[in-house]
Amino acid sequence: GQQVMQIPQYQHVQEGEDFTTYCNSSTTLSNIQWYKQRPGGHPVFLIQLVKSGEVKKQKRLTFQFGEAKKNSSLHITATQTTDVGTYFCAGPNDYKLSFGAGTTVTVRA
Amino acid sequence: DTGVSQDPRHKITKRGQNVTFRCDPISEHNRLYWYRQTLGQGPEFLTYFQNEAQLEKSRLLSDRFSAERPKGSFSTLEIQRTEQGDSAMYLCASSQGPRNSPLHFGNGTRLTVT
Repeated sequence: GQQVMQIPQYQHVQEGEDFTTYCNSSTTLSNIQWYKQRPGGHPVFLIQLVKSGEVKKQKRLTFQFGEAKKNSSLHITATQTTDVGTYFCAGPNDYKLSFGAGTTVTVRA
Repeated sequence: DTGVSQDPRHKITKRGQNVTFRCDPISEHNRLYWYRQTLGQGPEFLTYFQNEAQLEKSRLLSDRFSAERPKGSFSTLEIQRTEQGDSAMYLCASSQGPRNSPLHFGNGTRLTVT
């Protein structure tokens, strides 16, 4: 079945620095979604990408969907303490979304 | 929009006991999902309802697990004869619109089996 893999599993970032987290699917996806889960919280939807090569921005977050629609990335610029949490990508699989294991981000002030 | 509501927030039970969790989705949402999440992992799909019909159930799900959505509104998830391996966060999510629309998650029920 479809598998969604994310790297790295952990990302330790100095406040103010940039970083990128990656998501790869074993199959071509019709769309990909990103969620953020704060410590002790529940996953919250961030964005959905549908088109091949699509790029969307939300303030300091830039999301990209690969040309082959099998991978995606999330780039955060000028990391802030509010960016702490786990970022999940998720791809559709029949009626459900299959989630990756997430990238957990910690920030050093 | 009061969000997805789950009850209880925490449940501690002894091995072998049955437990039942409740989820109230966002009122106009026709799709309802149950997921399970353990530490360091992403949400793992358990089952899906469209209105009152259960359309998909994980093949990994033991027959000790059962879910209902009797009137297409709230849903219950029951685990019979709980095992320590059932300890996890049980998340409910709802959505509206086309299949694979974004999910709105509740705060979850944390189950601890002792």
